[in-house]
Amino acid sequence: KNEVEQSPQNLTAQEGEFITINCSYSVGISALHWLQQHPGGGIVSLFMLSSGKKKHGRLIATINIQEKHSSLHITASHPRDSAVYICAVEKTSYDKVIFGPGTSLSVIP
Amino acid sequence: EPEVTQTPSHQVTQMGQEVILRCVPISNHLYFYWYRQILGQKVEFLVSFYNNEISEKSEIFDDQFSVERPDGSNFTLKIRSTKLEDSAMYFCASRTTGGDQYFGPGTRLLVL
Repeated sequence: KNEVEQSPQNLTAQEGEFITINCSYSVGISALHWLQQHPGGGIVSLFMLSSGKKKHGRLIATINIQEKHSSLHITASHPRDSAVYICAVEKTSYDKVIFGPGTSLSVIP
Repeated sequence: EPEVTQTPSHQVTQMGQEVILRCVPISNHLYFYWYRQILGQKVEFLVSFYNNEISEKSEIFDDQFSVERPDGSNFTLKIRSTKLEDSAMYFCASRTTGGDQYFGPGTRLLVL
């Protein structure tokens, strides 16, 4: 069983739409990461959070530790947001990161 | 902003050859990692390294793989005798205790 699951697997949105990507995990964690991977392959860290909510520009990440669930929201989506968004968790503060399968987002003009 | 760098960006090799992938972690980081991503699949953990020794390795990280921090700045992943199934994107990452993990841009390895 995968320790980190994401939904949806693929998502197509119109420019300007509000987007939500969900992540659920089955293990105890010290932190959860949201990462972005562009077609070129590089991985960029968007958020690292262990409780509550973080906001950076048009991106918002929330986590509910009790429910083992996190969401990534993108407001006013733009074609440049098209990428794979990956949820990943770590069990301790120096641990490896366990990756989810990713959500492929395509924002069309 | 400090960043993790990796070289080469792409490498093509023949099956059975040795390859060395290089990473320069962020200078004050203490924990180092290698991950790989086979095309179309999720990123998988290979190995973590701390205090000049392996702290954890996955079942993928068999005797064909080794890691080293030869000079206090570089962090290398060696594959002794490459197989076709080693073709993947390899990511290096580093972090401080409790800090975010910073990923390098990756090395795309193709084994023919």
